[in-house]
Amino acid sequence: DAGITQSPRHKVTETGTPVTLRCHQTENHRYMYWYRQDPGHGLRLIHYSYGVKDTDKGEVSDGYSVSRSKTEDFLLTLESATSSQTSVYFCASSSGNTIYFGEGSWLTVV
Amino acid sequence: DQQVKQNSPSLSVQEGRISILNCDYTNSMFDYFLWYKKYPAEGPTFLISISSIKDKNEDGRFTVFLNKSAKHLSLHIVPSQPGDSAVYFCAASAGGGAQKLVFGQGTRLTINP
Repeated sequence: DAGITQSPRHKVTETGTPVTLRCHQTENHRYMYWYRQDPGHGLRLIHYSYGVKDTDKGEVSDGYSVSRSKTEDFLLTLESATSSQTSVYFCASSSGNTIYFGEGSWLTVV
Repeated sequence: DQQVKQNSPSLSVQEGRISILNCDYTNSMFDYFLWYKKYPAEGPTFLISISSIKDKNEDGRFTVFLNKSAKHLSLHIVPSQPGDSAVYFCAASAGGGAQKLVFGQGTRLTINP
């Protein structure tokens, strides 16, 4: 395990509200990622970071933004949550040859 | 367009037998492949990986085979145990390491006693 913790683990929010998911890793990994998991789609990359303040878009980035002000922290923000963003969100960090995942954050948008 | 495909949503195998999970990919730039195992309400955990310079990698009961010409990889679990019941994801990346992984849809493996 790479010591990845996510918060909150569960959240219910209303459509149109902003939501921030937090990820913290203790391994000093350079790369960090946010994925979402949905039935029939596996895990899809939302955004990733290759260093402090260095981020880029993934496959399903619309409606999401990220920030990385410290090596250990990677934040995912839904500016205005929609029902299509109801999902399980996984943060991950990479040592180069393996990506390690956190426990997941269950988000429900009602 | 799904670049990594696991065409079997589920697989049921008897305890002690071999489990074979399959994965196909379309992007010829992929050169590093991984398998992850996921239990309910937990994050995926790394199982085994293989580089495109190899065609086989073994780790205990788990063996991954890569057929580059067919763009196909498979995970063999021998012998299958009840604790192997989980969802298995294959993943691929380009650039020689585990960065920006592209995942398949997953296969739910059930090991029956």
